[in-house]
Amino acid sequence: AQSVTQLGSHVSVSEGALVLLRCNYSSSVPPYLFWYVQYPNQGLQLLLKYTSAATLVKGINGFEAEFKKSETSFHLTKPSAHMSDAAEYFCAVSGTSGYSTLTFGKGTMLLVSP
Amino acid sequence: DGGITQSPKYLFRKEGQNVTLSCEQNLNHDAMYWYRQDPGQGLRLIYYSQIVNDFQKGDIAEGYSVSREKKESFPLTVTSAQKNPTAFYLCASSKDRGSGANVLTFGAGSRLTVL
Repeated sequence: AQSVTQLGSHVSVSEGALVLLRCNYSSSVPPYLFWYVQYPNQGLQLLLKYTSAATLVKGINGFEAEFKKSETSFHLTKPSAHMSDAAEYFCAVSGTSGYSTLTFGKGTMLLVSP
Repeated sequence: DGGITQSPKYLFRKEGQNVTLSCEQNLNHDAMYWYRQDPGQGLRLIYYSQIVNDFQKGDIAEGYSVSREKKESFPLTVTSAQKNPTAFYLCASSKDRGSGANVLTFGAGSRLTVL
């Protein structure tokens, strides 16, 4: 079974600073990996996904993530934070063979200060 | 615009009562899912359905029931057997039922509070 661990339940940055949200996965084979974002009292929306093509994945709103097999990581980054990036971010994993459902991490709340 | 509609957005219930949360999608997606979200716990899968008239238990199915009589609809009933039902419930759908690469489309959620 696959799982993900998100390091840090809360991350605080200043507007304009680098955003780095950490996600490590556990899987016997390289899985599919996703980042979703949730704004307050809303559903989740997809930021980006890795499905075994390019290891550097670009998503919406200037976010990107790099799949590193040697480190079993899929960290999310953005060069310059905006106030509008304040939200909760979820890393998720699924298997690549047969039918597989998504398993989510516990989430990281990103706080952006002026 | 296509999407997922969840209702009601807020719901209050007394202990011992069953309650049904509605989920409707007009995306023509095959698969539908119910997740429960608690603060600091992430999302946990309750039930999912890959096709009409078929559904499978997720990680925390106890105290919940579902039906899938139509492709567009996947209602969730929270029964009195669910010991701690106060939570935010999210419905989602995906286009295909055959791949873990599926992207999920989420509804806006229903917040259930048991008094």
